[in-house]
Amino acid sequence: EAQLVESGGGLVQPGGSLRLSCAASGLTFTSYWMSWVRQAPGKGLEWVANIKQDGSEKHYVDSVKGRFTVSRDNAKNSLYLQMNSLRDEDTAVYHCARGGFYYGLWGQGTTVTVSS
Amino acid sequence: DIQMTQSPSTLSASLGDRVTITCRASQSISTWLAWYQQKPGKAPKLLIYKASTLESGVPSRFSGSGSGTEFTLTISSLQPDDFATYYCQQYNTYPWTFGQGTRVEIK
Repeated sequence: EAQLVESGGGLVQPGGSLRLSCAASGLTFTSYWMSWVRQAPGKGLEWVANIKQDGSEKHYVDSVKGRFTVSRDNAKNSLYLQMNSLRDEDTAVYHCARGGFYYGLWGQGTTVTVSS
Repeated sequence: DIQMTQSPSTLSASLGDRVTITCRASQSISTWLAWYQQKPGKAPKLLIYKASTLESGVPSRFSGSGSGTEFTLTISSLQPDDFATYYCQQYNTYPWTFGQGTRVEIK
């Protein structure tokens, strides 16, 4: 059964950094674009970033450009999100998702809380 | 950015009702639209992509239609498992954007 499992969330002060990971299993990881989507507490869904199969193409929402970096390690079937200069408004559950356009498989998410 | 606006924000309905949710895009997105269902504390579930293509395993009571700027998600006969929040998402133009959600609650 295909599965995505996120890790790396936690409490961080404004201006701090975190690296999220997403481990994929039961799917041919190298066949898919992969994405990050977040959801602030009590709010809707927000697309954050995606990355092509070979890592050669990446896209970001404007609010994270220059602060977040999406990457992948196909040998480890893993997706990453390096988050720097974190702000209060980055507080959310971060989901990794299979695909670059629409998302048929989601992880349960990892919670990032930015607070002093 | 393309703004996606869903209506209504909340919908009260009874079991067996036919339910329609509308999603409007601020500019044309052809048929590059997906619909998701989300229950509290859970990840979203893909229902429909390319405006009208039913995801494998999704019950046939769900259907999608539309193109350009106006889209609808219809549940033909509301079942207990359908009480949830529904989101539309465009993937025509970066950044991909979601609607604000429509909560379907028990009347």
